[in-house]
Amino acid sequence: TQLLEQSPQFLSIQEGENLTVYCNSSSVFSSLQWYRQEPGEGPVLLVTVVTGGEVKKLKRLTFQFGDARKDSSLHITAAQPGDTGLYLCAGAGSGGGADGLTFGKGTHLIIQP
Amino acid sequence: ETGVTQSPTHLIKTRGQQVTLRCSSQSGHNTVSWYQQALGQGPQFIFQYYREEENGRGNFPPRFSGLQFPNYSSELNVNALELDDSALYLCASSFPGEHSYEQYFGPGTRLTVT
Repeated sequence: TQLLEQSPQFLSIQEGENLTVYCNSSSVFSSLQWYRQEPGEGPVLLVTVVTGGEVKKLKRLTFQFGDARKDSSLHITAAQPGDTGLYLCAGAGSGGGADGLTFGKGTHLIIQP
Repeated sequence: ETGVTQSPTHLIKTRGQQVTLRCSSQSGHNTVSWYQQALGQGPQFIFQYYREEENGRGNFPPRFSGLQFPNYSSELNVNALELDDSALYLCASSFPGEHSYEQYFGPGTRLTVT
């Protein structure tokens, strides 16, 4: 069974600070996605990383896929209250979407103004 | 471009009853997946439908079943409801093939079983 562990589970910081959240597994994934979910809504896809060592940037968010494709990190620079939400990482197996995505439990992020 | 829609938004059922949840995929997507998200947990994969057939299934019992229709919309049926079935049920659509892992989620149906 593939498992994804996210850390920290909860994070509350002040506006303007930087932060990093982690997504770790003992399994290899063919790709990894990061989603953000707000209360009462479904997860929204932020990014997909496919190649080991890959780095992608989305404005103030930087995503990295580990060299061995077992882990990933999300770094937010100068966090803003609009970044508040539940951040979920999800890994895809070799079967692509047909195997379903394996999700972590998420990191609850609160950015205080 | 129309996103993924789900109905109903909320539902309350009694243990032992049956429920049907509905999903319309994002325009251009022909693959639909269903996930269960319990409180405080990440979503768990139930199954995926492509070309009106189930082509992948997670660790859920047979009382969880589904359908996909020619217009790519889908239903999730749960029989003999149990208290632990209380959760947010998410539908996600995607393109088939190598990018099928990029899934676009609807807002979910909140099911409460009493």
